[in-house]
Amino acid sequence: DQQVKQNSPSLSVQEGRISILNCDYTNSMFDYFLWYKKYPAEGPTFLISISSIKDKNEDGRFTVFLNKSAKHLSLHIVPSQPGDSAVYFCAASGGNQGGSEKLVFGKGMKLTVNP
Amino acid sequence: NAGVMQNPRHLVRRRGQEARLRCSPMKGHSHVYWYRQLPEEGLKFMVYLQKENIIDESGMPKERFSAEFPKEGPSILRIQQVVRGDSAAYFCASSPVRAGGYEQYFGPGTRLTVT
Repeated sequence: DQQVKQNSPSLSVQEGRISILNCDYTNSMFDYFLWYKKYPAEGPTFLISISSIKDKNEDGRFTVFLNKSAKHLSLHIVPSQPGDSAVYFCAASGGNQGGSEKLVFGKGMKLTVNP
Repeated sequence: NAGVMQNPRHLVRRRGQEARLRCSPMKGHSHVYWYRQLPEEGLKFMVYLQKENIIDESGMPKERFSAEFPKEGPSILRIQQVVRGDSAAYFCASSPVRAGGYEQYFGPGTRLTVT
């Protein structure tokens, strides 16, 4: 049962353009959402997060949008740079019993930014 | 300020041997999480620990796997009698005392290969 879904396995964009990465979730108890970036043979690096009480959070070139009614979030990267090429994971947390803060991850999307 | 440290980075074990994976959280972090990533998959939660306590082990296989986070020293993920299906990347993450956000910071991972 995939509670967090990243339906597109890959995305290719030109340097300088916008990258839009999408994520859908099914568990309405999730109240915190995160994006991680991962290079091969390294651990995930935290990028940006958003609480369910907000619909937008921005940090430099990265903006996350949350649409609770659609159970959908997206990560916008603008302008995209070749160094952004990596696998991006969407993750969610919340509603867990006993105060557990475990993260539920999507399968990831490989972003390639072409010079 | 050192990040999350994991060792070893690579571990090769023959079927039936034991694997011990170590994780030292970031300074000031008292929450430790273990995740496993199979090839072409997202990260799957295994266990959440605080010092000397297992808070949530809902993602741990029922047999052969155990985890601890002692009062002194690193957290240990132990896999007894390894099988080929245990081959994966194992990531440890840590977070500070809960303060509303749920960002978890990941180590570089241990890549376990069972031959």
